Amino acid sequence: GNSVTQMEGPVTLSEEAFLTINCTYTATGYPSLFWYVQYPGEGLQLLLKATKADDKGSNKGFEATYRKETTSFHLEKGSVQVSDSAVYFCALSGTSYGKLTFGQGTILTVHP
Amino acid sequence: KAGVTQTPRYLIKTRGQQVTLSCSPISGHRSVSWYQQTPGQGLQFLFEYFSETQRNKGNFPGRFSGRQFSNSRSEMNVSTLELGDSALYLCASSPDSFSTDTQYFGPGTRLTVL
Repeated sequence: GNSVTQMEGPVTLSEEAFLTINCTYTATGYPSLFWYVQYPGEGLQLLLKATKADDKGSNKGFEATYRKETTSFHLEKGSVQVSDSAVYFCALSGTSYGKLTFGQGTILTVHP
Repeated sequence: KAGVTQTPRYLIKTRGQQVTLSCSPISGHRSVSWYQQTPGQGLQFLFEYFSETQRNKGNFPGRFSGRQFSNSRSEMNVSTLELGDSALYLCASSPDSFSTDTQYFGPGTRLTVL
């Protein structure tokens, strides 16, 4: 079946540091890939997505490129802010109706 | 457009009771999916409804059930509650359930089973 593996957290950075959160997946066919973010006490918000190989999703300074050859969708941001502190989830959507398969989540803490 | 709403936001129940959670999708969205989030298991898919039909189901016992109404609002029910059912229950809506569709999540219902 489908699966998503994210880098182990938590990740702690200083403000303005470069962020990478690794995500790799296993799936049949041609899944769509997503990054969601969850702030304390809230639901998940879509951060970005890519629906086919070599697509780059971007939003609020975050980027991720759908790499089919390495089955990866790593999240990057050039300069993080304290307000980026949250839990980040990588997810894929395949051929199963309405089902997202999530990674385990990565806690990001950014210090001033 | 209003986002996905879930009621209630918090619930406390005791073992053996049953509970019903409600989800109102974004206007025009016909697909509603439900997920359970726990610290140990992460986010797990419960089921998906589209046009009042359950089209997909995750690996949960029959105590977990749901339904969808003609206005796309959805409810999920958990009967004979167990301590392990304590979790954040999230619903998400999308226009349809194509793999390219984005799912938009509600704030969740926090269920505590004592």
